[in-house]
Amino acid sequence: DTGVSQNPRHKITKRGQNVTFRCDPISEHNRLYWYRQTLGQGPEFLTYFQNEAQLEKSRLLSDRFSAERPKGSFSTLEIQRTEQGDSAMYLCASSLAKGAIETQYFGPGTRLLVL
Amino acid sequence: DAKTTQPNSMESNEEEPVHLPCNHSTISGTDYIHWYRQLPSQGPEYVIHGLTSNVNNRMASLAIAEDRKSSTLILHRATLRDAAVYYCILRGRFGNEKLTFGTGTRLTIIP
Repeated sequence: DTGVSQNPRHKITKRGQNVTFRCDPISEHNRLYWYRQTLGQGPEFLTYFQNEAQLEKSRLLSDRFSAERPKGSFSTLEIQRTEQGDSAMYLCASSLAKGAIETQYFGPGTRLLVL
Repeated sequence: DAKTTQPNSMESNEEEPVHLPCNHSTISGTDYIHWYRQLPSQGPEYVIHGLTSNVNNRMASLAIAEDRKSSTLILHRATLRDAAVYYCILRGRFGNEKLTFGTGTRLTIIP
């Protein structure tokens, strides 16, 4: 399968713990996006990379969140000192930059539950 | 980003056509109309996009009003696997890489 993969698929953690998620994009894609989705809502943009450069961060991305894409391939999203409000599905998407006709390909997501 | 308005939910019978509406009265001349859908327990997937002319692909058709203030996603023959949340999204031509999702339309297919 050559789609976007995310690991782990599920994560349960206690409040205050740190968690890290990984996203492996489609291999030739230069853009990588992170979104967060809570129950009953559409996904909300968090941040995106073009190659290894992080080009935009949402105001939703507090100081406890950090994302990296060290070699322009896979990416990690770390949440420090998790809070119950961080419970959500974290989605990764990748694309080839093509302006407004760009298509984003999403992974299956990592579901986080903070107890 | 210009906003879109969609019904919260719709139902359709299996093997019948489905018309999913989207209003985008503040669309600008360079905004593309994209549709994504999200099946249960999966990430969103691209369905179709268009600018001014109607578009067809293997998944669906997109009918765009002449004034571009509304559009309709058409599934020609709905199957149970089309049950999903459908999102209508506007994307500017430049400098607007992220997708801005609304709450979408939850489509239920009745066997």
